[in-house]
Amino acid sequence: TQLLEQSPQFLSIQEGENLTVYCNSSSVFSSLQWYRQEPGEGPVLLVTVVTGGEVKKLKRLTFQFGDARKDSSLHITAAQPGDTGLYLCAGAKGGSEKLVFGKGTKLTVNP
Amino acid sequence: NAGVTQTPKFRILKIGQSMTLQCTQDMNHNYMYWYRQDPGMGLKLIYYSVGAGITDKGEVPNGYNVSRSTTEDFPLRLELAAPSQTSVYFCASSYAGGGLGSSQYFGPGTRLTVL
Repeated sequence: TQLLEQSPQFLSIQEGENLTVYCNSSSVFSSLQWYRQEPGEGPVLLVTVVTGGEVKKLKRLTFQFGDARKDSSLHITAAQPGDTGLYLCAGAKGGSEKLVFGKGTKLTVNP
Repeated sequence: NAGVTQTPKFRILKIGQSMTLQCTQDMNHNYMYWYRQDPGMGLKLIYYSVGAGITDKGEVPNGYNVSRSTTEDFPLRLELAAPSQTSVYFCASSYAGGGLGSSQYFGPGTRLTVL
């Protein structure tokens, strides 16, 4: 059972375009994290959201946690080739030591 | 600061062979994790540890064993390697558990092929 569903699975866009990727679940999470992974490397944390309705901005990246804490989105404005990578969302339930990862969205930004 | 280091980076095994994947972190983190990543499947948790001497199974523990004798080291042992264990293996560590929103720091991965 995949607790976190990410969409789309693949996304190929031109430099300068905007995009949104989604992370959805039927379960409630106490926190949700977004990681970016480049080929041949381990994932690197981008952001952690913990409050329902929370919005966090990281330069051209905007992260939102759903009011019910079941879903999240990542919006990238004016995408650049350096944004290319695999974007993974990961959720944790209160009191758990573990994270549950989605399958990821593979983003390619073409120059 | 080295963070999380993993060795080897690449390895090819024959069916039935055994090996140990090494993982070391220098951040004094209590929590450590082993994941495997198959194409298009995200990260699946194999084993984790909340401190020295304490380990527990994750989602896909069959065919693997771990030990945690020190805070720094968390080796993953593969016994009787099978083609289904062909994957990229990541070790990660964190200051606190996932439920507290603690960031996990990942190593560079070990790419294992079993033929």
